[in-house]
Amino acid sequence: GAGVSQTPSNKVTEKGKYVELRCDPISGHTALYWYRQSLGQGPEFLIYFQGTGAADDSGLPNDRFFAVRPEGSVSTLKIQRTERGDSAVYLCASSKDPSGANVLTFGAGSRLTVL
Amino acid sequence: EDKVVQSPLSLVVHEGDTVTLNCSYEVTNFRSLLWYKQEKKAPTFLFMLTSSGIEKKSGRLSSILDKKELFSILNITATQTGDSAIYLCAVASLNNNDMRFGAGTRLTVKP
Repeated sequence: GAGVSQTPSNKVTEKGKYVELRCDPISGHTALYWYRQSLGQGPEFLIYFQGTGAADDSGLPNDRFFAVRPEGSVSTLKIQRTERGDSAVYLCASSKDPSGANVLTFGAGSRLTVL
Repeated sequence: EDKVVQSPLSLVVHEGDTVTLNCSYEVTNFRSLLWYKQEKKAPTFLFMLTSSGIEKKSGRLSSILDKKELFSILNITATQTGDSAIYLCAVASLNNNDMRFGAGTRLTVKP
């Protein structure tokens, strides 16, 4: 696509529920990143994919968070047993540079609210 | 630990003013520093800086990097209300694949 597309744009859920957030990167971009942005903060790195594999998942806060990119294009960020502290905007970005160096194009984000 | 600090956190000016936004960093094996503008949603790319002392310029915006003193500045001249946004600084390291972002500077330009 022309840009990075994220769905849903807004998600409200209850504590303890499972959520999935989807990212469709720019066509041909092999590198895909997930970031989390809380109010008043800069984006915080979660995970980086090069192709289908998670090349760096060191930013995932705990084992409730998981992400996949099975065909090297669309990625899904999965959050189990959501907590109120998970409320944030989840940003996806992609880059065509396979080395990860790094002009990232961001999507508009998915705003997650956990009640 | 890698760190990016932006200042000021918030700034209110009037149209026509010139502003300077600051970004200082500590990172192992520096690769590049990037500036992004974030309005309501997606951060949009402004500049990527890799070498000291070379000014990057785009219209009323310019930026420069000092790799010895570990900081960068973003200048905006003749500000307009459309410049109101959060300006994010990010630093990339050769050691890993993520970019570390600062907390941003929220700029408000009043008519």
